Amino acid sequence: GAGVSQSPSNKVTEKGKDVELRCDPISGHTALYWYRQSLGQGLEFLIYFQGNSAPDKSGLPSDRFSAERTGGSVSTLTIQRTQQEDSAVYLCASSLGLGYYEQYFGPGTRLTVT
Amino acid sequence: GESVGLHLPTLSVQEGDNSIINCAYSNSASDYFIWYKQESGKGPQFIIDIRSNMDKRQGQRVTVLLNKTVKHLSLQIAATQPGDSAVYFCAETPSGNQFYFGTGTSLTVIP
Repeated sequence: GAGVSQSPSNKVTEKGKDVELRCDPISGHTALYWYRQSLGQGLEFLIYFQGNSAPDKSGLPSDRFSAERTGGSVSTLTIQRTQQEDSAVYLCASSLGLGYYEQYFGPGTRLTVT
Repeated sequence: GESVGLHLPTLSVQEGDNSIINCAYSNSASDYFIWYKQESGKGPQFIIDIRSNMDKRQGQRVTVLLNKTVKHLSLQIAATQPGDSAVYFCAETPSGNQFYFGTGTSLTVIP
């Protein structure tokens, strides 16, 4: 079946602009996760959703970052007033639910802030 | 914050040899550990997991060992193949909600 999809695959934006990154999880997966991966680094946990709610937003790097999920499916990660240090690959993953530890990752969105 | 680290950032092995990738973690409360494989340009792919009440788990050509006394995790790949070349990450979770990943080890298989 279809896996996790993310769009766009690549995004180049100018410093100060806002960007929206989209994640389509696997159908039926109620848990959704966002991570950031800088070049040559591990994954930095940003936020997770169970259904439409995000119980813990403390992983978001700053208040320029926000995420939402509607209808228990698609999620968007928004970065306002982008900075060069925001350049990274943003990965989305989904799982059957909290407590189901196997996460399925999308291919990521490569964000470049110039 | 959490700290999950790897002993070796790069590893090269001959095709057919066994590979061992190590990982250290810091949170004694973590009760679930996962190994992921990430190929270039792709998202991480689940390989194998282990719960804290186990010290060894085997999959197809892979074995994960957990030593909670020294907070050490390892991934063993038997008869390494060129398709195993990738970056390998360990991850831990104390709660099943937040997952903490290590920096990764880049495995190169020499034909």
